[in-house]
Amino acid sequence: QQQVKQSPQSLIVQKGGISIINCAYENTAFDYFPWYQQFPGKGPALLIAIRPDVSEKKEGRFTISFNKSAKQFSLHIMDSQPGDSATYFCAASMGTDKLIFGTGTRLQVFP
Amino acid sequence: DVKVTQSSRYLVKRTGEKVFLECVQDMDHENMFWYRQDPGLGLRLIYFSYDVKMKEKGDIPEGYSVSREKKERFSLILESASTNQTSMYLCASSPDSYEQYFGPGTRLTVT
Repeated sequence: QQQVKQSPQSLIVQKGGISIINCAYENTAFDYFPWYQQFPGKGPALLIAIRPDVSEKKEGRFTISFNKSAKQFSLHIMDSQPGDSATYFCAASMGTDKLIFGTGTRLQVFP
Repeated sequence: DVKVTQSSRYLVKRTGEKVFLECVQDMDHENMFWYRQDPGLGLRLIYFSYDVKMKEKGDIPEGYSVSREKKERFSLILESASTNQTSMYLCASSPDSYEQYFGPGTRLTVT
């Protein structure tokens, strides 16, 4: 019930393509869904987050799509660039409770 | 800018040694967290603290303890290091349990 399942584990995309990472959850009480981006040698940093009262949130080339009925949310990176190569983590939390992280997706964008 | 610093980037210890990992944040955040990051397992919460001298067990507290004597400092202690504690350790702080700010991590190797 507390798990967040993330896929794929790794993703290779050509420059200019769309990167899509998916996450699924079981606990319907979750009310906050962030995505974190981690570059090699650095700690994760918040990229974008969504609450379940909206179905989509866009910030630049990054979009979260949220499907409440399916209990799924996904990160879309449009016009993927080599500089987007990183590990991405989805997460979920309930109120001010701790974050539950997915297992991570290693994205590689090739020129 | 929020800054979370960790005392060491790389650490090599022997089995059975007592290990201290220090974390300091400079933004007066109430909440602090210790995670370990392992390939394919994502970020797993070891311990967290919502206030000075307060601590709560996370998902994998066995073999670890923590100390928070001052608001800005949160220490992770491995009482008797074992090889299965070889990992990347990440500290984070948060003003409100939503956005978490991570340090750069300490890569600990136990031989």
